[in-house]
Amino acid sequence: GIQVEQSPPDLILQEGANSTLRCNFSDSVNNLQWFHQNPWGQLINLFYIPSGTKQNGRLSATTVATERYSLLYISSSQTTDSGVYFCAVPGEYGGSQGNLIFGKGTKLSVKP
Amino acid sequence: DTGVSQDPRHKITKRGQNVTFRCDPISEHNRLYWYRQTLGQGPEFLTYFQNEAQLEKSRLLSDRFSAERPKGSFSTLEIQRTEQGDSAMYLCASRRADTQYFGPGTRLTVL
Repeated sequence: GIQVEQSPPDLILQEGANSTLRCNFSDSVNNLQWFHQNPWGQLINLFYIPSGTKQNGRLSATTVATERYSLLYISSSQTTDSGVYFCAVPGEYGGSQGNLIFGKGTKLSVKP
Repeated sequence: DTGVSQDPRHKITKRGQNVTFRCDPISEHNRLYWYRQTLGQGPEFLTYFQNEAQLEKSRLLSDRFSAERPKGSFSTLEIQRTEQGDSAMYLCASRRADTQYFGPGTRLTVL
C-alpha cells in the first residue's frame, strides 16, 4: 500500500518563527489533506490540497503531485499552533472517497 | 454544521468487558468512518459506511469488533472482551465532497 512519510518528526520553535513541514508519499494521489491535532486530540482540517498552492491566514500549503510531496508552511507561529500536524492521502478502500492513510505526524511545540 | 460528535469522550474498563461507542456525523453526510489512534501514531482506518451499508473493514478490525449504522445516521462501535491492546483513541469522521471531518474521539483505557 501507499506509504506516507512526514518530516521532521519533532519541531520546537520560538513564537514568531516560521517553519516548513514536509509530507512525502510513495504513489500518485488525487486527494491530500493536512490536519492539525490539538493537545486535546481533536483533528482539525487545515487544507484539502491534491495539487497546487492554497493559503489560509498564516498557513499555506503546496502539493507537487508529480514529485509526490506536499509542504505545509506556518508563518509567525503562535503558541496555539502547538500540536501534531498530519498529512493524509487516500488508502486502499473505496478510492478517493474512501479511507485515509495518515503519516506519523510532525509534533510542533511553540514556546512563548 | 454542528460537527461530528462522539460519546463518551473517555471510557475506562476492565479487561474482558464489552464497551460501545457512539458517533453522530454531520447531518446529511452519507459516509462515516471509524479510525483508531495509538500514542505517537497517526489514525488507522477500521471501517466505513455509506448510508447504512458497511462497505469496507480493515485487517485491524478483529472479530471482537463490530460496527453498525442502522438508519444511516449515527453509528456505534462495539468491542467485545476488551484487551489491554485495545487501549487507544477511537475517532469517527464523516465526509462531504473530498474532505473528512473528525469528531473529538473516545479515549479507551483497558485496565
